[in-house]
Amino acid sequence: DTEVTQTPKHLVMGMTNKKSLKCEQHMGHRAMYWYKQKAKKPPELMFVYSYEKLSINESVPSRFSPECPNSSLLNLHLHALQPEDSALYLCASGPGQGFEKLFFGSGTQLSVL
Amino acid sequence: GENVEQHPSTLSVQEGDSAVIKCTYSDSASNYFPWYKQELGKGPQLIIDIRSNVGEKKDQRIAVTLNKTAKHFSLHITETQPEDSAVYFCAARLYNQGGKLIFGQGTELSVKP
Repeated sequence: DTEVTQTPKHLVMGMTNKKSLKCEQHMGHRAMYWYKQKAKKPPELMFVYSYEKLSINESVPSRFSPECPNSSLLNLHLHALQPEDSALYLCASGPGQGFEKLFFGSGTQLSVL
Repeated sequence: GENVEQHPSTLSVQEGDSAVIKCTYSDSASNYFPWYKQELGKGPQLIIDIRSNVGEKKDQRIAVTLNKTAKHFSLHITETQPEDSAVYFCAARLYNQGGKLIFGQGTELSVKP
C-alpha cells in the first residue's frame, strides 16, 4: 500500500464550526506533514511530525491544531477558521526525516463561509 | 527574492516534443532536489529526485540535471504525451531555511495532441 488517504475530500464549514481533517498511511513512514495549498500556488508547510512528535510548527495560528495519535494517523483540528483559510490541505508522509521522497494525499478542499 | 525560482510559469508543447523546466536556488549547501507533478484534483506526486553528488539522473522519458556551481537544476521530458499535462513543481532542501523543502512557484505544462 503506497497511498496516503485523506478524508474528507471536500469540507464546507462556518466560522464558528469545529471540524477535523484526517490522514492515514500504512507505509511505515515515521515523518508526517501538513501542507496548505492555495489555487495555482505551491504547497506551504504547516506542521511536521517525526516519530509521532511535533518537530516543526511554521508559526501556524492556533485555530489549526495538529495531532498524531499513532505512527499511521495524522489529524488536523480546525476551530474558528476565517474565510482566508479556504484552501487545499495536503497531508504527506516520508520514509525518513529531512523531507525526502514525500508521498502526498489528494487533499481536503476546505471552504470557510 | 525567492529561495527557489522556477521558469517558465506556463509551457505549451506539441505532443512528441521535448519540454524543459528550469529552477535556481539560493543556498549553496542545498543537497536534495525533487520534482513533483500535480494533476488536477490530486496531490503532488514525486516523479524524480537528485542529490547534490550527482549531475544527472534519468528515468525513462524524464531526466533531471544539476549544476551545483551555478545553483540551478532542470527537468527534461522527452517525447511528451497529453497525459504529461499537469503542474510541475521543483523543490530544494534549503539549509538556510532550517533544512526545509522549499517549492518553486510551479510550471503549468500543456501538451497538445
